[in-house]
Amino acid sequence: DGGITQSPKYLFRKEGQNVTLSCEQNLNHDAMYWYRQDPGQGLRLIYYSQIVNDFQKGDIAEGYSVSREKKESFPLTVTSAQKNPTAFYLCASSRASLNTEAFFGQGTRLTVV
Amino acid sequence: SQQGEEDPQALSIQEGENATMNCSYKTSINNLQWYRQNSGRGLVHLILIRSNEREKHSGRLRVTLDTSKKSSSLLITASRAADTASYFCATGTGGSYIPTFGRGTSLIVHP
Repeated sequence: DGGITQSPKYLFRKEGQNVTLSCEQNLNHDAMYWYRQDPGQGLRLIYYSQIVNDFQKGDIAEGYSVSREKKESFPLTVTSAQKNPTAFYLCASSRASLNTEAFFGQGTRLTVV
Repeated sequence: SQQGEEDPQALSIQEGENATMNCSYKTSINNLQWYRQNSGRGLVHLILIRSNEREKHSGRLRVTLDTSKKSSSLLITASRAADTASYFCATGTGGSYIPTFGRGTSLIVHP
C-alpha cells in the first residue's frame, strides 16, 4: 500500500526545545518537500530535496533543518531558533520531473506549550 | 512567495448547486494543479492541467486554464456535502516541478 506517512500526528514542544517530525514515503519518489500551513496563509515551502544527500532552502527555512540520508526519509527538525513554530506541517513527495503531482502525508500539528 | 491566489476565500452553497473557484497567478507556468484538503488532513491531488491545455475534466470536476489572463477555474458540478473542504491551486514554473500554493478557497456545501 504505497503512500507517505508523517508522524506523530500531534506534537507538543516546550520553549527552547528542538523537535523532529518524521516523514517516510514508499512511492520511490526522488523529490520530497516540507510545507508549513498557518490559517489564512496557505502552504509555504520550508525545505525540499531532489536527491539523497542534497536539499535546498525554501521560502521560510530559518529555524528549521532537514536531512536526506535515505530516499524514503526526509525528517524535519524544528529548532529553538524558530520563534513561532506552532503550525500544521505537511510533508509531500513527487517524481523529480515537470508536470507531476505531489502526494501528501496527513500532517503533523505542532504546538508550543 | 505564493504564486497563485484563489478567489473567493470562502464559498457557501447548497447541495446540488455548482461551485466555481478561481485562481490567478503572476508568472508563466508549466502547469497548474488543484488540490483538496479536508479539515486537519493532508492535501489530495485533484487535477493537473498543462500550459498548452485549455480544459480538463475528471468526474464532476472541470478545470479551465486561460494563460493570456493568467487564471484558472475549478468547477464542481452538482455539489455534495462531502465536497466540503478547502481547495488550493498550485503552479509549477520555469524549470521547477516544485508546486507553489495559493491561500485556498474554503467551500462549505450545506445538505
